[in-house]
Amino acid sequence: AQSVTQLDSQVPVFEEAPVELRCNYSSSVSVYLFWYVQYPNQGLQLLLKYLSGSTLVESINGFEAEFNKSQTSFHLRKPSVHISDTAEYFCAVSEGPGDTPLVFGKGTRLSVIA
Amino acid sequence: ETGVTQSPTHLIKTRGQQVTLRCSSQSGHNTVSWYQQALGQGPQFIFQYYREEENGRGNFPPRFSGLQFPNYSSELNVNALELDDSALYLCASSLSAGGTARQYFGPGTRLTVL
Repeated sequence: AQSVTQLDSQVPVFEEAPVELRCNYSSSVSVYLFWYVQYPNQGLQLLLKYLSGSTLVESINGFEAEFNKSQTSFHLRKPSVHISDTAEYFCAVSEGPGDTPLVFGKGTRLSVIA
Repeated sequence: ETGVTQSPTHLIKTRGQQVTLRCSSQSGHNTVSWYQQALGQGPQFIFQYYREEENGRGNFPPRFSGLQFPNYSSELNVNALELDDSALYLCASSLSAGGTARQYFGPGTRLTVL
């Protein structure tokens, strides 16, 4: 069975400061890893994904995540956050790269403080 | 926006009642997945429909059932509602053709059971 642990339920950070949201997973099969973002009263939006290849993946809005197989981690980072990054972030794992069911962590609430 | 719509946006029911939630897929998508997101939790996979057939199910009791129609829209039905069924219900659509199909999430239906 697969599982995801997001180590921090809430992360407050000042604007323009760096941030890291931690995610660890467990799986007995090949893994495909995702980060989703959920803004208030909205559905989930895919932020970035690791399917294969380079272990460092980037999103268009400055986030990046690195797949670390030995540490079973997929931490999300951004060097400088904005107020608009305030949202709930979910790490997820699946057994397939496509629309295989996702197993989500409990989420991390990122609050950016002006 | 993803093009996935859900109705209604909010719903209040009492324990023991039945409820039907609806999801309209993004144009051209043939697969719908449903997730339950309880307060403070990550989404949990309920089931998936592919071309009108159930294509996988999570750990939910049989009183959670679904349908997918020829136009690929979908319904989630929950019978004998319990207080713990209070949650945000998300649907996600995708075009399953193997490979790296991406799931697009709707905004969700907030169900409150009193």
